[in-house]
Amino acid sequence: GENVEQHPSTLSVQEGDSAVIKCTYSDSASNYFPWYKQELGKGPQLIIDIRSNVGEKKDQRIAVTLNKTAKHFSLHITETQPEDSAVYFCAASFNYGQNFVFGPGTRLSVLP
Amino acid sequence: DAGVIQSPRHEVTEMGQEVTLRCKPISGHNSLFWYRQTMMRGLELLIYFNNNVPIDDSGMPEDRFSAKMPNASFSTLKIQPSEPRDSAVYFCASTPGSGGLNNQPQHFGDGTRLSIL
Repeated sequence: GENVEQHPSTLSVQEGDSAVIKCTYSDSASNYFPWYKQELGKGPQLIIDIRSNVGEKKDQRIAVTLNKTAKHFSLHITETQPEDSAVYFCAASFNYGQNFVFGPGTRLSVLP
Repeated sequence: DAGVIQSPRHEVTEMGQEVTLRCKPISGHNSLFWYRQTMMRGLELLIYFNNNVPIDDSGMPEDRFSAKMPNASFSTLKIQPSEPRDSAVYFCASTPGSGGLNNQPQHFGDGTRLSIL
């Protein structure tokens, strides 16, 4: 079945450094890849997404890259701040966009 | 705009009792999803609806779980009878799309933390 792997499971960086989280997916028909941030006691919130007709997308300190051939995509956070500390989930669409498979999550800690 | 609203935020009950979780999707959204989140299994899709019709309930773990969407603004997830292994955070999400070639981000509520003693 459809599968999304995510690495690393935990990541600690110093404030101001960059953080990179990588995901791979199994369904070659997947064409939409959102990233979510989940803070303690809250639901996942969309932070950025990318569609398969684009290789990279940037929104201020956050960027996502997509390699459809290799079936992997990555989240890049630059100039990290303590408020970036959270669990981050990647996801990939399947079943022609009707639903998503989520990765297992990455717990990011930004140390002051 | 109000987001997805879930109630209750916390529920503690004894095993064997019936539990009902409630969700109000974002107005105008056509699809609604119920997820369960645990440390061991992450985010698992239980069931989703398009235009109030259940489309895929293959993630519902057992017959003890049931979900309904009587109208576009309300859905329930019911567990009867509840068991300790049902303890988890249950999320509801909605999207404006109706499936098909219509990739839209899901908007999540803040969840219901369920503890079955």
